[in-house]
Parts: sequence; C-alpha cells; structure tokens
Amino acid sequence: AQRVTQPEKLLSVFKGAPVELKCNYSYSGSPELFWYVQYSRQRLQLLLRHISRESIKGFTADLNKGETSFHLKKPFAQEEDSAMYYCALLQGNKLVFGAGTILRVKS
Amino acid sequence: KAGVTQTPRYLIKTRGQQVTLSCSPISGHRSVSWYQQTPGQGLQFLFEYFSETQRNKGNFPGRFSGRQFSNSRSEMNVSTLELGDSALYLCASSLIAVRETEAFFGQGTRLTVV
Repeated sequence: AQRVTQPEKLLSVFKGAPVELKCNYSYSGSPELFWYVQYSRQRLQLLLRHISRESIKGFTADLNKGETSFHLKKPFAQEEDSAMYYCALLQGNKLVFGAGTILRVKS
Repeated sequence: KAGVTQTPRYLIKTRGQQVTLSCSPISGHRSVSWYQQTPGQGLQFLFEYFSETQRNKGNFPGRFSGRQFSNSRSEMNVSTLELGDSALYLCASSLIAVRETEAFFGQGTRLTVV
C-alpha cells in the first residue's frame, strides 16, 4: 500500500541552524511528492512539489528514488519557519499524507 | 481572489444525528476533495468530486457521503454520527485535478460529536 512516513513528530532547532524534515514513502511507480505547510491559525498550503524543482522560502526537497525519500531542507532556519509540515504523495487524484512534523525554531 | 470557504467553522452534534458540511471552491475550480483530520489518524482522504461526479473515494463507511452542484460547490454528509467522527474536515479545490494544478485548502469545519 502507498504510504508516507514522517518519523519525527517534533523537530526543534535554533535560529540559523540547518533544518532537515524527513519523509520516506512507499509507492509502486513514479511518485509525485509534495510538502505542505500549516502555520499557526492558517490553512494548509502547498510549499513545494518535486516536479517543479523550485526553492520556496529557502526550502528545497530532492526526490531520492533509491532511498525512497523526499526530505525537506533549509540551510538556515528562521523563526517564521515554525509550523506543521506534511509530506504528501499523489495517488491518482488524491493526496496521501504523512503524520506531519512540527518544526519549532528557537531564538 | 477569494479562497476556499467552508461553513460552518464549528459544529457540535449528538451521537446518532446527521450533519452536512459545505465547501465553496475558488471560482473556476471544478475539483473538490474532502479530507478528515484527526490527531490519531492524521489527514485522510474522503472523496473527490469533479463536474458533479464522484471521481475518487477513500476508505470510509457509507455513512460518509457527498455531492457536488453545478456551480462546483460541494457538500458532505455524515449520518448516524459516532464519537469517532469528531474531527477537522478539510475541503480542497483545484482547477481540474491535484495532478495538474495546485490544491487549495479551506480553513476546515471542526465537528465535535458528543
């Protein structure tokens, strides 16, 4: 079955430190993967998708098919990055979400 | 442009009752998906509608149903409510499908079953 695993419920880092939010997936075929973010009291929104290969707000994510991973990275965390991050896999027209990781950036 | 609007924002119902939630997609969007979000199960897909037809369905019991109107507005209905149905219900709209275009989420409807 298609599944997305985010092993960390909470990741706490200091401002300016590098960030890596882990995401592993199981999928038979060519996966399409996304990162969604939910800031406090705001709606869930798309951060980036792997096919666009963009860097949004300094975040990047590379699809590693060998390791079945799609980790989200940022070289220098900022306090405004504090939020809940969800990794998601596209299955047909539906999104299969991981459990989410809370990122807390401390000053 | 206006975002995805879900009404009501909060709802309290008694076990055994039924409930209807509404979602107005972004103007021009024809695909509407529904998700259930709970602390234990996370975000789970309920169903997706496109041009008034259910195109995809998740693994939820038949008590969960939905429909889409000609103006793309969608409703979901839960009958014979159970305590475990307490959740945040999110609606997402996209132009055609998530595969082709971005999905935009609403603020959600918080349903509490007592």
